[in-house]
Amino acid sequence: DGGITQSPKYLFRKEGQNVTLSCEQNLNHDAMYWYRQDPGQGLRLIYYSQIVNDFQKGDIAEGYSVSREKKESFPLTVTSAQKNPTAFYLCASSIEDAYNQPQHFGDGTRLSIL
Amino acid sequence: AQKVTQAQTEISVVEKEDVTLDCVYETRDTTYYLFWYKQPPSGELVFLIRRNSFDEQNEISGRYSWNFQKSTSSFNFTITASQVVDSAVYFCALSEVGDTGNQFYFGTGTSLTVIP
Repeated sequence: DGGITQSPKYLFRKEGQNVTLSCEQNLNHDAMYWYRQDPGQGLRLIYYSQIVNDFQKGDIAEGYSVSREKKESFPLTVTSAQKNPTAFYLCASSIEDAYNQPQHFGDGTRLSIL
Repeated sequence: AQKVTQAQTEISVVEKEDVTLDCVYETRDTTYYLFWYKQPPSGELVFLIRRNSFDEQNEISGRYSWNFQKSTSSFNFTITASQVVDSAVYFCALSEVGDTGNQFYFGTGTSLTVIP
């Protein structure tokens, strides 16, 4: 089945450690997105990519990094510079980065601090 | 200012009751899109509906219906004869072409609990 796969489902980070969240899609979508979700808040955009080898900062990019070397993959690294990384992270994709296209989501990664 | 406001943080209803989830948005654009998503306990956001700003027709899909009113900048979602499986967080979203490109704004969500 076509879809978006995020892994791992749960992740724990030690102080000062970088961790990478995986996001893979087989929908042949050009655009991919990373969101952060905190309790009681909506989704906040971290980074997005309209096409391979290109990505843009979202509203809360500080302390995060991404790459887009393949169309199917858009990994997110939470660096040690992100002082409050505990959150639920959602990856999404859309056919293209157009405002009329719905985004399709993975089932998330929950990151916690040890 | 919030672009998308979902004033109801949590709602509880008894099974088979009807429930309406409110969504109010703010935009200066004449062309934009509105969306509803469902987030069950599993975490994945599931796309429910998309509506463009020129189409004010109400839509019904099974037990779900949506009421779009540009005059009040609202895009409300009604579940008829609610079921336990409807328990989830529901997000309303607005998409528009902003100064720096396409912008997607999510509301803070409404947590719906359907009590058996």
